This record gives sequence, C-alpha cells and structure tokens, in this order.
Amino acid sequence: QKEVEQNSGPLSVPEGAIASLNCTYSDRVSQSFFWYRQYSGKSPELIMSIYSNGDKEDGRFTAQLNKASQYVSLLIRDSQPSDSATYLCAVNTAGGTSYGKLTFGQGTILTVHP
Amino acid sequence: SAVISQKPSRDICQRGTSLTIQCQVDSQVTMMFWYRQQPGQSLTLIATANQGSEATYESGFVIDKFPISRPNLTFSTLTVSNMSPEDSSIYLCSVVGGVGEQYFGPGTRLTVT
Repeated sequence: QKEVEQNSGPLSVPEGAIASLNCTYSDRVSQSFFWYRQYSGKSPELIMSIYSNGDKEDGRFTAQLNKASQYVSLLIRDSQPSDSATYLCAVNTAGGTSYGKLTFGQGTILTVHP
Repeated sequence: SAVISQKPSRDICQRGTSLTIQCQVDSQVTMMFWYRQQPGQSLTLIATANQGSEATYESGFVIDKFPISRPNLTFSTLTVSNMSPEDSSIYLCSVVGGVGEQYFGPGTRLTVT
C-alpha cells in the first residue's frame, strides 16, 4: 500500500510566523512531489512542486525534499490569515516526472491568527 | 495551466438515481483523472480516463457504479449510478501538466438524500 502521511493538525500559528508542514511517503521510487492548498469549499490549488533533493523557494513558500528519509516539507514564511487553509501533500507514485497518478495525504489544516 | 470547468457545480439527488458529471478542458489533454473527496477527507482517485481506451479504475471503484466516458481530448463524463447517501461527496476532475503536476476543476458537490 503506497501511503502519504501528514499531521492532520490543526496547526495554529500567529501572523508573521513561519508555518512548517510535514509529509512522509512510503514508496521509495516516487519521483515528484506536490503541495496543494485547499480553501474550504474550493478545489485544490497547486502551490509548489519539487523533484530533487534540497530546497525550492517560491516567494514566501519553500519546499524541502529528502528522498533518503522519504520526507517532504513546506515552509510558509511571514504567514498571513489568508494562508489559513488545508494543505495537501501529493506524491507521484507511478514514477517519472511526466506521467502518473497522485496519492494524497490526508491534509494539514493551517490556521493563521492575527 | 489548463482551464477546467465542471457541470453541474452542485446537485441534490434522491437515492437510487444516477447523475452524470461533465468535465471540459480548454486544451487537448491526454490524461484526465476523476477523484472523490468525502466530507472532511482527502482526495481519493476513482479512475484514470484516457481518450480512446477504457478507463482504469482504482481498487474499490467499479465501472458499473462509476461509468466514465472520454469521447475526445477535451471532455469527459463521470456517472454516479444507483446513488446512496454514502456517495455524497465532492467529485473532481483533473488534468496532467507537463511535469506530472495535476490541475483540478472546481468540483461537483453531490448530496444524496
């Protein structure tokens, strides 16, 4: 069973703080990793993708990948109340970077309070 | 990224009936996926729909319950058949981008009474 695990939270951080979201996966051949943000009542929105070990930064978001530890994380700097949402970790379990089904974690609920 | 639309956006249906959900994409795509998101849960893949071939269903999902059509490279339908209250969910279609990322439609919120 290929699994993706997240801490369901809720994770509560004050405005301006760094929010750290974590995800582990079981399938060692996984090649590509994604973070989605889902506001209540809306569909998931892709915010970050990462394929190589290390860090990838995009604005206030940084994704970190450690394939040896089968671990991927998302850091949100200078958190804003508008960041309050459910964050879904997704892993391409079919291998390769141009094809494949995604397996989703259960999501982490993030609340940023003023 | 592709622009994806779904119809209907929401519906309330009686048990025992069927509902067909449409997914339209503004560009040609090879692979489309259908997901279910039950209340308070994450996304579960129902099936992969490729144009010109039968849909591939995930464990726990069968064609008789969730028949899928993929008549061309921009359109797909998912039918939820013989519905029960347990089918109350959000149903989402998605398409694959250039490096394996997926983009989702706005979803169809189904309530079965």
